[in-house]
Amino acid sequence: EAGVAQSPRYKIIEKRQSVAFWCNPISGHATLYWYQQILGQGPKLLIQFQNNGVVDDSQLPKDRFSAERLKGVDSTLKIQPAKLEDSAVYLCASSLKTGAEAFFGQGTRLTVV
Amino acid sequence: GDSVTQMEGPVTLSEEAFLTINCTYTATGYPSLFWYVQYPGEGLQLLLKATKADDKGSNKGFEATYRKETTSFHLEKGSVQVSDSAVYFCAYTNFGNEKLTFGTGTRLTIIP
Repeated sequence: EAGVAQSPRYKIIEKRQSVAFWCNPISGHATLYWYQQILGQGPKLLIQFQNNGVVDDSQLPKDRFSAERLKGVDSTLKIQPAKLEDSAVYLCASSLKTGAEAFFGQGTRLTVV
Repeated sequence: GDSVTQMEGPVTLSEEAFLTINCTYTATGYPSLFWYVQYPGEGLQLLLKATKADDKGSNKGFEATYRKETTSFHLEKGSVQVSDSAVYFCAYTNFGNEKLTFGTGTRLTIIP
């Protein structure tokens, strides 16, 4: 069974530029999560989708971050414009349903310079 | 608000030593509790879980018991191996708010 796929694996951008990350969840998984993991910290939930609807985006900095999940499958997370403090690993995860075991991708390491 | 607090690292042990990584939670209601592990160069993966009080989760020689009276879910292993070197995260979800929330992580290094 294919796992959660994320791309790119690494990205370096200058501050004020924009960047987008892509996630393909495990087939059939209704719930999709985006987490931000800053070095030395635990993952912080940015947004949670149930199919193509948003369940929780309370910690998403909506002035610069946006996310969508078209047709309830793939998802993209965008940052525009990026700040230095956005440097982190962005993790995508999916689960069959809310509250079930979450499976994580390998993440995208973003460096903002 | 709801949260988990876990033992700060890094933790360094010799091979075959006994391991305990502490995790306590603060939550209203009855959370489900998890331990996730992140091996070097790999993604987060579920190690074990417990969904109600007195449940014991176990996997790969690791165990954790959901103790409501002490609001704890400590991770233990009787004899660690070099291959157990990783970062371990305690996490929870709470009924009615199924957001998976993580602790800060504990880096474990096992030396031969």
